[in-house]
Amino acid sequence: GAVVSQHPSRVICKSGTSVKIECRSLDFQATTMFWYRQFPKQSLMLMATSNEGSKATYEQGVEKDKFLINHASLTLSTLTVTSAHPEDSSFYICSANPGQGVGDTQYFGPGTRLTVL
Amino acid sequence: KQEVTQIPAALSVPEGENLVLNCSFTDSAIYNLQWFRQDPGKGLTSLLLIQSSQREQTSGRLNASLDKSSGRSTLYIAASQPGDSATYLCALDTHAGGTSYGKLTFGQGTILTVHP
Repeated sequence: GAVVSQHPSRVICKSGTSVKIECRSLDFQATTMFWYRQFPKQSLMLMATSNEGSKATYEQGVEKDKFLINHASLTLSTLTVTSAHPEDSSFYICSANPGQGVGDTQYFGPGTRLTVL
Repeated sequence: KQEVTQIPAALSVPEGENLVLNCSFTDSAIYNLQWFRQDPGKGLTSLLLIQSSQREQTSGRLNASLDKSSGRSTLYIAASQPGDSATYLCALDTHAGGTSYGKLTFGQGTILTVHP
């Protein structure tokens, strides 16, 4: 099946620093990738849609200047958490779809655990 | 706005038991519905995907049904095993104007524990 990887799997940083998370589709190309966030004991919430070659679209309430998304190639999307604060500590997961239509099965990465001290 | 509710929030059963997990949603204009499994601290594994035009899907000991008119889906697990212990999430791809955007709305999940 399709494989999506994320790097790093876990990161601990000081408050005020920026953290970059990579999402790669390993064996397929994806013009669209999605970034989700999961707080402890809560479900996944969509943050933004990453579009290759164009600007990301953000869900309501998600600060685009804080969560920078770059989809520079058909296999890589990056999420940068700028000036991270403890409330940004969360589990960040990306997904991608190898199908021709965006309504097909979504494949998820293993997630990145961010802890901001 | 699509809202997804999963019941029960947690379930503990002895090994071998058959069980049903429930998912309800408020907007029936869906493109598809997926059931996922999430192990602690891990990503998601897709279990079953039901397209809007379908009523059910089966894979091994798993069977998922979809009733759009009532806004419900169930995941049936037969002969449960300790290895089935995980959080089970249902997610909907809700479309607007006949176009799917691939964005999923998740339920809160059901934490399943199967004890030997």
